[in-house]
Amino acid sequence: QKEVEQNSGPLSVPEGAIASLNCTYSDRGSQSFFWYRQYSGKSPELIMFIYSNGDKEDGRFTAQLNKASQYVSLLIRDSQPSDSATYLCAARDNYGQNFVFGPGTRLSVLP
Amino acid sequence: GAGVSQSPSNKVTEKGKDVELRCDPISGHTALYWYRQSLGQGLEFLIYFQGNSAPDKSGLPSDRFSAERTGGSVSTLTIQRTQQEDSAVYLCASSLSAGLGYNEQFFGPGTRLTVL
Repeated sequence: QKEVEQNSGPLSVPEGAIASLNCTYSDRGSQSFFWYRQYSGKSPELIMFIYSNGDKEDGRFTAQLNKASQYVSLLIRDSQPSDSATYLCAARDNYGQNFVFGPGTRLSVLP
Repeated sequence: GAGVSQSPSNKVTEKGKDVELRCDPISGHTALYWYRQSLGQGLEFLIYFQGNSAPDKSGLPSDRFSAERTGGSVSTLTIQRTQQEDSAVYLCASSLSAGLGYNEQFFGPGTRLTVL
């Protein structure tokens, strides 16, 4: 069974610090990985996707992928209170077409 | 429309009644997904449609749940004989053809279902 694991948190970081969110996946066939942010009472919205080993940066966000270790992470630099939300990791293969979501990590950025 | 729309936004029903939830995906998106999210929980996959292929129903929790997608566009999720444990937010998402694995999902605003 394909699974995506995340620490449920809450992860608390002070404003301005780096928040590190981690995700592991069980299916070696997974090729694409997505980070979604979900504010309380709202729908998930995409932050980044990554499909190549290494780092991918977009503004304050950096996604990291290590397929050998089946590990994906999201770094948020200069964390702001507005980053406080639940972060969902999802994996997808190129053939199964379906997304497998992790349970999410709740991040709290303290002012 | 510009995004995925869902209706109704809120639905309160009595135990034992049937409900229908509607999802209108982004135009041109051939893949459509239904998820359920209970309070404080993650996304629970329910069903997935891709073009004209047979849907992936592996996540439906019981035979009281069914879904259809007419004309490859609008989808309806039906819950028969609702139970209190069906209370949750039902999210719909769509994405472009799955030919490319990095096509992201776009989520609708959800329908909050409350079964009394």
